[in-house]
Amino acid sequence: DVKVTQSSRYLVKRTGEKVFLECVQDMDHENMFWYRQDPGLGLRLIYFSYDVKMKEKGDIPEGYSVSREKKERFSLILESASTNQTSMYLCASSLGGGVRVHGYTFGSGTRLTVV
Amino acid sequence: GNSVTQMEGPVTLSEEAFLTINCTYTATGYPSLFWYVQYPGEGLQLLLKATKADDKGSNKGFEATYRKETTSFHLEKGSVQVSDSAVYFCALPLGNFNKFYFGSGTKLNVKP
Repeated sequence: DVKVTQSSRYLVKRTGEKVFLECVQDMDHENMFWYRQDPGLGLRLIYFSYDVKMKEKGDIPEGYSVSREKKERFSLILESASTNQTSMYLCASSLGGGVRVHGYTFGSGTRLTVV
Repeated sequence: GNSVTQMEGPVTLSEEAFLTINCTYTATGYPSLFWYVQYPGEGLQLLLKATKADDKGSNKGFEATYRKETTSFHLEKGSVQVSDSAVYFCALPLGNFNKFYFGSGTKLNVKP
């Protein structure tokens, strides 16, 4: 069964900490994405990557960075966590040219609380 | 620009009732259209899709027809179950690199 695995389901961090959210996919997908999900706001794209070491900003990149050193792994980094980054974070992956037919595969999400 | 508009929830139905969740879109050309479902505490799963106008996507008793004349992709199910309680997202891919634009989501509550 193909999978997108997010390293933590629940995470509690303190304000100012550097936070790493990890995502691994085993489908050899080219594209990987990080979204955050908030009540009433739906899903908002933070960053995405279309190849190793390549990244593009999404709609809300401020306060975040990403790393993709290997094809299967895409990390989201909160440089200095703040309470307004408390949210559900969702990782997704897709084939390079195939999302228009195949769509995304999502991980189970990481619920991050910053205190 | 491209956008997706979904009906606001929550939608509360009794078991075996008929379900419709409205979705309309604005896009250049005729993109593929998708419905995703998110069960409590989980990530999103692909529910169904349609890749061209007049196509009907179906899965798990849910259906949606891609109607280009009304730019709609409404989700329907003839008889809902308690296990269908979830949040449903309409989505379309847009631009380069296969980014998705998601609607705001519609929460469905099904009561026994």
